Amino acid sequence: QVQLVQSGAEVKKPGASVKVSCKASGYTFTIYGISWVRQAPGQGLEWMGWISAYNGKTNYAQKLQGRVTMTTDTSTSTAYMELRSLRSDDTAVYYCAREKSEVGFDYWGQGTLVTVSS
Amino acid sequence: EIVMTQSPATLSVSPGERATLSCRASQSVSSNLAWYQQKPGQAPRLLIYGASTRATGIPARFSGSGSGTEFTLTISSLQSEDFAVYYCQQYNNWPLTWTFGQGTKVEIK
Repeated sequence: QVQLVQSGAEVKKPGASVKVSCKASGYTFTIYGISWVRQAPGQGLEWMGWISAYNGKTNYAQKLQGRVTMTTDTSTSTAYMELRSLRSDDTAVYYCAREKSEVGFDYWGQGTLVTVSS
Repeated sequence: EIVMTQSPATLSVSPGERATLSCRASQSVSSNLAWYQQKPGQAPRLLIYGASTRATGIPARFSGSGSGTEFTLTISSLQSEDFAVYYCQQYNNWPLTWTFGQGTKVEIK
């Protein structure tokens, strides 16, 4: 069965960086894309960006351009999302999701809470 | 940038009743529209894609309609497990981007 398992919760200080991992299993990793979505406490869903697991091509949300980098390691079927220059309003649950072309985000990770606090 | 607007923000419905949720796009998204359900403490779940196609395992009481800028998610007879927050999402093929609406909370009346 398809599973996306994310790394554990993180606490970071303002200005630091965080890197969240998302290990995929149960399907051929390189056939699909991976998107990252975050959700601030009590708020809605915000799409952060997408990466092709086939060729590493990325598209990032405009507001995060320059602060976010998404990568994949096809040898371990793992996707990574790094966010730099963290601010308090980056405090959120970060989700990875498998992107199926013309369908949407059909499988999701369990979420990773990132807390930014001094 | 395409903006997705959902209404109402909160919908109070009795179990067994019909719920109708709306989603409007600031410009045409054709049928590139999906709906997700999210329960507290859980990741979202894909319900509908292509505006009207149910995802695998989604009960028939969930249906989607619309195209262009106006979309609707209908839950024909609300079950206890359907009380949740629902999000619409559009996707753009070039550049490849996605945008969520702000969500509609369906609560027990």
